[in-house]
Amino acid sequence: GIQVEQSPPDLILQEGANSTLRCNFSDSVNNLQWFHQNPWGQLINLFYIPSGTKQNGRLSATTVATERYSLLYISSSQTTDSGVYFCAPQGNAGGTSYGKLTFGQGTILTVHP
Amino acid sequence: NAGVTQTPKFQVLKTGQSMTLQCAQDMNHEYMSWYRQDPGMGLRLIHYSVGAGITDQGEVPNGYNVSRSTTEDFPLRLLSAAPSQTSVYFCASRPLYRVTEAFFGQGTRLTVV
Repeated sequence: GIQVEQSPPDLILQEGANSTLRCNFSDSVNNLQWFHQNPWGQLINLFYIPSGTKQNGRLSATTVATERYSLLYISSSQTTDSGVYFCAPQGNAGGTSYGKLTFGQGTILTVHP
Repeated sequence: NAGVTQTPKFQVLKTGQSMTLQCAQDMNHEYMSWYRQDPGMGLRLIHYSVGAGITDQGEVPNGYNVSRSTTEDFPLRLLSAAPSQTSVYFCASRPLYRVTEAFFGQGTRLTVV
């Protein structure tokens, strides 16, 4: 199956700082999602981004499928950005498991006021 | 539009007890899946289904049963709970034949004592 590696594992920021989270994956993918897991455990869809760049407010994401990585940018970070960020590539739907999502271990982000 | 609904949100079981975690979606998605999340880890796939009457195993299926009698519902059964099954469980759904994002429920926090 697809191997997923996220970096850094932990990140501590002061409010207002910018950051880049990286997701490397080992095989070609049909899709990739970024999630934010808030301190209450809820998984929130941030981006569905099989390739290219998308932006949503202070967050943006870029996936370069040919080079097997995706980046999540957080600008002007706020304390509410704290939590765990997961990337989850989705394998080929024609293969086994019908294109399951494989999760990385996450990046734990802490934003201090 | 409720999306993906999981019940209960919290549950405490004694070792050896059985229970069913419920998952329902109202988006007419063919693909439904169950994941578990252990501390400090990403989500791992337990079982999945590509339609009514069709289920298959994921990465960590031992100790769990599933069935899919309708498109909307995908219950997860623990036949004899063990402390190793203490975890947070997430249900997800997405269309099978369109490459699009997966939608996750709010999670069920299960403790087995």
